[in-house]
Amino acid sequence: QKEVEQDPGPLSVPEGAIVSLNCTYSNSAFQYFMWYRQYSRKGPELLMYTYSSGNKEDGRFTAQVDKSSKYISLFIRDSQPSDSATYLCAMSATGNNNDMRFGAGTRLTVKP
Amino acid sequence: NAGVMQNPRHLVRRRGQEARLRCSPMKGHSHVYWYRQLPEEGLKFMVYLQKENIIDESGMPKERFSAEFPKEGPSILRIQQVVRGDSAAYFCASSPQTGQGGIYGYTFGSGTRLTVV
Repeated sequence: QKEVEQDPGPLSVPEGAIVSLNCTYSNSAFQYFMWYRQYSRKGPELLMYTYSSGNKEDGRFTAQVDKSSKYISLFIRDSQPSDSATYLCAMSATGNNNDMRFGAGTRLTVKP
Repeated sequence: NAGVMQNPRHLVRRRGQEARLRCSPMKGHSHVYWYRQLPEEGLKFMVYLQKENIIDESGMPKERFSAEFPKEGPSILRIQQVVRGDSAAYFCASSPQTGQGGIYGYTFGSGTRLTVV
């Protein structure tokens, strides 16, 4: 079993839809949870960062962490074609970057 | 600020040759990390370096792979005697520090795509 599981998709939605992206994990020591966005032929860029459980909102993006279920989510409201990218979840037990474990990434396409 | 610079962007090597991938961290960043990305497998941590020191190489294959971050110049990831299975995208990231503060400053380069023929 992988430490971090993420459905690779692909996921295709119409413009304006609400997108839900999810990851599950097995290591209960994870405390730091990140979502990265990766455009084609580019490196990942940090989108959201959450410590421990709870919700965090930033514009159209909401990150949720449920440590009891070992489940994290990223919601995108009013999705735009420019949101088309691969979204990777990442998590760490210590907050140290070399401790970070990534999901496989979900490829999202938002159609105009 | 030019960001994290990786070169070359694309590299083609024949089986048995050596591949050298270069990474210049962001200005002011002293921590460098290398990752390998295979399709549908996500990013796999390989090695973490600071200037002239390897801090964590727990993700590096035991043979043929090496990394350095000299006092002057870019970090180098070296793959000797490449095989087809080494074909992948290799990403470098840098941060100004480790720990929680390092997460916000964690910046990836655009990667080097290695193809072994």
